[in-house]
Amino acid sequence: NAGVMQNPRHLVRRRGQEARLRCSPMKGHSHVYWYRQLPEEGLKFMVYLQKENIIDESGMPKERFSAEFPKEGPSILRIQQVVRGDSAAYFCASSLAAKYEQYFGPGTRLTVT
Amino acid sequence: AQTVTQSQPEMSVQEAETVTLSCTYDTSESDYYLFWYKQPPSRQMILVIRQEAYKQQNATENRFSVNFQKAAKSFSLKISDSQLGDAAMYFCASGGATNKLIFGTGTLLAVQP
Repeated sequence: NAGVMQNPRHLVRRRGQEARLRCSPMKGHSHVYWYRQLPEEGLKFMVYLQKENIIDESGMPKERFSAEFPKEGPSILRIQQVVRGDSAAYFCASSLAAKYEQYFGPGTRLTVT
Repeated sequence: AQTVTQSQPEMSVQEAETVTLSCTYDTSESDYYLFWYKQPPSRQMILVIRQEAYKQQNATENRFSVNFQKAAKSFSLKISDSQLGDAAMYFCASGGATNKLIFGTGTLLAVQP
């Protein structure tokens, strides 16, 4: 039973480019969460999605960031016009249902040069 | 709003000994749950243990157990018979009706051979 998959594991982007981070939840999980971890800090919630719906995006920056979880395919976290401050590890988690354990993927480390 | 505080940035334990990591939290929710996650150098977030607030019995998973003091809003993790593989960053997290997890800043545990 494969765990949460994230790709790419490492992503380097120049300032102003777009970054697309992908997350495939565990089999049978329909709840996906994105978190960001800045260097030397804990994880910060960004967005919570169910299939085709954004449930809670209270942690998402108002501009340049968007997320989706289509009916088919992985969840995508998209960052437009990246800046150096976007450099961080981005983790995706999935759960079977609300209030269940969240299982994390290995993370995508984004570096903006 | 929920907050999670880990007041020990670093801890050290001798192999085979017992160590306790501290965590306090604050929440206005009546139905909430608490987690400990482990983040080894690989940076993968690994679920260690979960505790539902309504349960009086402390959760246990093999060598890992918690001391959940609801009135004091305290949720400490005890690791017995520490092993070299336990060396990692440990994060305490709380979740509730919104399903998003609020993480503490982490405790870096070193295990001395």
